[in-house]
Parts: sequence; structure tokens; C-alpha cells
Amino acid sequence: EPEVTQTPSHQVTQMGQEVILRCVPISNHLYFYWYRQILGQKVEFLVSFYNNEISEKSEIFDDQFSVERPDGSNFTLKIRSTKLEDSAMYFCASSVQYSNSPLHFGNGTRLTVT
Amino acid sequence: GNSVTQMEGPVTLSEEAFLTINCTYTATGYPSLFWYVQYPGEGLQLLLKATKADDKGSNKGFEATYRKETTSFHLEKGSVQVSDSAVYFCALSEGGGYQKVTFGIGTKLQVIP
Repeated sequence: EPEVTQTPSHQVTQMGQEVILRCVPISNHLYFYWYRQILGQKVEFLVSFYNNEISEKSEIFDDQFSVERPDGSNFTLKIRSTKLEDSAMYFCASSVQYSNSPLHFGNGTRLTVT
Repeated sequence: GNSVTQMEGPVTLSEEAFLTINCTYTATGYPSLFWYVQYPGEGLQLLLKATKADDKGSNKGFEATYRKETTSFHLEKGSVQVSDSAVYFCALSEGGGYQKVTFGIGTKLQVIP
């Protein structure tokens, strides 16, 4: 069964540095998402992306965050200047283009900001 | 706004015990409801879903019924196995072309032999 893949599985970075988290969604999916889960807290929606633009973003997704689909397969999340509170598990997801279609999640990237 | 409330774990059960994980929701419209499961070291996987009132979602022996009158979507399984040990997330989506999903906090289930 096709799956969403994320790299790296674990990223350690220093405060203030830029990080790029990478995702390869399922090939025939058209909607892409980033979610995050701070340790011990809820899984939170960050952003959805369709047709090369952001469909919706949460209040968490401020100017420090950006997403991009640089080619036909990758979907990236960039954090420009990381803060300690950005430490979390980041999940990429994708879905096909119809209502109520389930999200398919990757295994996540654990980001640790020191 | 939308929210999902589920019982906090951990829940520890013996193999073959009956499982219930409670979930209630608040939504402005008529959401679709989901249970996702996260096995150790893996991502979130859809376990089951229900898209309208009185629908029952089922998969791998798990069931949940969409109860609009009580705004609930409790997860049940008649006989759990050690392999069911995981974190279970109740979630909802308002639907539409894309799926902004609101998750509960997750309930960790540990099944002991």
C-alpha cells in the first residue's frame, strides 16, 4: 500500500537556525497537510496546501513557517528561525480530492531545538 | 470552534478484556468522525470512520457509532490483544474538499498478556 514518507525521522537543531522538514505524499493525492504534536499535547493542525497554494493555516503557522512543493513529489515545511517551543513531532499528511476522504499520515519527524 | 474530548490514559487491560475509550465532540456543523491509531514508532493510521449520525464504523474488531444526540463516538472492542497496544486518537473533520482534522489528546492503551 502506498504511504507518505518523511525525512529525517529525527532532527536536532540549535535555536535560531533554519530547518526544512521533508515529505513525499502519496502520488495521486492532491491535498497536503502539516500537523504537529508537542510532547504530551494534542495533535494540532498547522496548514493545508492545494494547487500550489495554502488553503488554510492555523494561528500557529506564523511568518516563521512556510511550505513549498518544489517539484512533483516533495512537500516541505520550513521553519526560518527555530525556537525552543518548536520542539515537537511534525506529521505530514495527504488526501485525495473528495469530501470525507481520510488523511494518510507519515511517521513523523521529531524536531528537537536546543 | 471544534473540539474533541477523550479520556486520558494510560488504559491498561488484560488480553481478551473489553475495551471502551470514550470520546465526545463539539462542532458547529455536521462533522465526520474518525478514530486514528498510532503504533509505537509509527505515524497515525485511520482505524475507522463515520460520516453521519447513527453510522457505525468498524475495522479490525473495533467499532464506534456516531451518536448525534450525545455528541459521542466511543471506541469499543470486545476482546483486546497485545498487538492492540497503541495510542488511539478520536478526531473530527467538517468535511469539504480538504480535511482540517481536529484531534483529541490521545489515549494510550497497554494490553498485557
